[in-house]
Amino acid sequence: GAGVSQSPSNKVTEKGKDVELRCDPISGHTALYWYRQSLGQGLEFLIYFQGNSAPDKSGLPSDRFSAERTGGSVSTLTIQRTQQEDSAVYLCASRGGGSTDTQYFGPGTRLTVL
Amino acid sequence: AQSVTQLDSHVSVSEGTPVLLRCNYSSSYSPSLFWYVQHPNKGLQLLLKYTSAATLVKGINGFEAEFKKSETSFHLTKPSAHMSDAAEYFCVVSGDYGNKLVFGAGTILRVKS
Repeated sequence: GAGVSQSPSNKVTEKGKDVELRCDPISGHTALYWYRQSLGQGLEFLIYFQGNSAPDKSGLPSDRFSAERTGGSVSTLTIQRTQQEDSAVYLCASRGGGSTDTQYFGPGTRLTVL
Repeated sequence: AQSVTQLDSHVSVSEGTPVLLRCNYSSSYSPSLFWYVQHPNKGLQLLLKYTSAATLVKGINGFEAEFKKSETSFHLTKPSAHMSDAAEYFCVVSGDYGNKLVFGAGTILRVKS
């Protein structure tokens, strides 16, 4: 595709529910990243995929958070038993093969946990 | 470990005057440095990047930044501010394993008419 796309653009859920956020990276990009942007914490790294494997999950805040990537393309970030502190904008970025290549960001999913 | 400090949380300039957004970094590796811009309710857009080539980097919309290793700085400048420059600007460092991005806290630029 022309750019990174994310769905849904907005998600409102009740505390305790599970949510799935989707990211479609730029076609051919091997690296995929999830970040979170929240008022209190700024922009922070969550997880990095190279192909379908996730060599760096160090930013996931708790075991309620998980992510997978299939076919070297689409990625899903899942948050189980959502809490109000999970409310944030979740951003996905993808990067081509070169280590200094730019990360291109999607528009984000705004998650609100009531 | 890598980190970025943006020295001003808010900067206000008049239209047509110069812009200076300050950034200092810390990195154990030879870093790549970026400036991203985020307009209200919009996604992150890359302004420019430094990847160990020329120390003066030119970006989009008339912005440029100079990498100064001795000062561990990567300040963003523009000679003449435009109203459309009003946005939040993030200084970013990468170079660690996986090249994950480490963001500064952001600087909100206000442009007065």
